[in-house]
Amino acid sequence: EVVLTQSPATLSLSPGERATLSCRASQSVDGYLLWYQQKPGQAPRLLIYDSSKRATGVPARFSGSGFGTDFTLTISSLEPEDFAVYFCQQRKTWPPITFGPGTKLDI
Amino acid sequence: EVHLVESGGGLVQPGGSLRLSCAASGFTFSSHWMGWVRQAPGKGLEWVANINNDGSKEYYVDSMRGRFTVSRDNAETSLYLQLNSLRAEDTAVYYCARLQTESNVIFDYWGQGTLVTVSS
Repeated sequence: EVVLTQSPATLSLSPGERATLSCRASQSVDGYLLWYQQKPGQAPRLLIYDSSKRATGVPARFSGSGFGTDFTLTISSLEPEDFAVYFCQQRKTWPPITFGPGTKLDI
Repeated sequence: EVHLVESGGGLVQPGGSLRLSCAASGFTFSSHWMGWVRQAPGKGLEWVANINNDGSKEYYVDSMRGRFTVSRDNAETSLYLQLNSLRAEDTAVYYCARLQTESNVIFDYWGQGTLVTVSS
């Protein structure tokens, strides 16, 4: 099973700042890493798939990078609506499909 | 517009059963694999099961295999999850999600979830 760890657990920033979130895999997942955003009381929303591809409708301020075991989600300039929890997921080796524990992005 | 609406959650005693449903619309249901992901209160996401587009193949996380069963009815554009032998640790919001046709492991649309509470 591929174990995903995310850091930091909580990130406190202000609107307009740059956010950098990390996801690390216990073994290589090549480029098969995804990011989801979840706001309170809402379902997750797909943001990034295959490390760097933005899903439909995702603003350009969201970007992803990485390969192998280390991945990064960057939000170039935070908007108020970006404060949420972000989860990574790998699709290289399954079952099981595994998710990271999440990073909470706080104002 | 893709729409997924779960139902069937509620309060159930330990050892009991529930059947969750997910009504899908806005896309060609029979062309997509579908899946269930759950989230315990205040916790992260946990994959439960996937089913292929014609319902002939099912995939489960080991800890739920044998207790949970995923199924689908393409004529009714509905997905189901039968939950048996429920335990307190199964308490969670259960999300129905569509999988991308290009990859059967990318959840591109999610429902709003249905809450299952297992308690005496």
